[in-house]
Amino acid sequence: AQKVTQAQTEISVVEKEDVTLDCVYETRDTTYYLFWYKQPPSGELVFLIRRNSFDEQNEISGRYSWNFQKSTSSFNFTITASQVVDSAVYFCALTGYNFNKFYFGSGTKLNVKP
Amino acid sequence: EPEVTQTPSHQVTQMGQEVILRCVPISNHLYFYWYRQILGQKVEFLVSFYNNEISEKSEIFDDQFSVERPDGSNFTLKIRSTKLEDSAMYFCATYRGHEQYFGPGTRLTVT
Repeated sequence: AQKVTQAQTEISVVEKEDVTLDCVYETRDTTYYLFWYKQPPSGELVFLIRRNSFDEQNEISGRYSWNFQKSTSSFNFTITASQVVDSAVYFCALTGYNFNKFYFGSGTKLNVKP
Repeated sequence: EPEVTQTPSHQVTQMGQEVILRCVPISNHLYFYWYRQILGQKVEFLVSFYNNEISEKSEIFDDQFSVERPDGSNFTLKIRSTKLEDSAMYFCATYRGHEQYFGPGTRLTVT
C-alpha cells in the first residue's frame, strides 16, 4: 500500500528560526517520486520540488532544502531562516512510476511569527 | 507562463442537484488529475487521465462522479445528486516533466 505520513500537524516558530517538516512514506514500488507542495492561506497549491526514488542527493534551493533518505523512507523539508511569508500548509506527496495516482500526506501547518 | 484554469471559482448548490466543474489544462500536458480537499483536510486524489483515457480512479470516485472531455481540450467533473459532504475545494492539475501544475480550485458548497 502507498501511504504518506506527516506526523506534525502544526508547527509554530519565530521568524529567522530554522524549521524541519517531516515526511515518511510507504510504498512497494521500486521507482517512485516524492513531492512537496505549499498551500498558503489563499488556498492555491504550489509545487515546490520533485525527487526520484533513485536519486538520493539532497537538494537546496535558496532557503529551502530537502533531505531524502531511502533507508528511513523519509523526505524531510527544511526552511532556513524562516519568514512570515513561509506561513502555510505544506503537503508531502507520493506517486508511482506511471504517475497515475498521487498520495498526499495530511499536511503540516507552519506558523511563522514575526 | 501557461496555467491551469478552473471555472467557476465558487459554486453553491442545493443537496440533490447536479454540478459541473470545468478545467482548462495546459495544452500538450498528457497527465491530468482531479482532486478534492475538504476544508482543513488533506488533498484527496479522485481520478487521473493519461493520453485522453482514464488511467486510475480512487475509491471516492464512485458512480456519483464522472469526467468528460467535451471538446477534446477542456475537462469537466460532474457530480450527480450532490450531498452535504461533497462540499470541498476541487482542484484539477496537469503534470509534465518534473512539475505538477494546479488550477486555482473551485469551492463547492452544498446546502
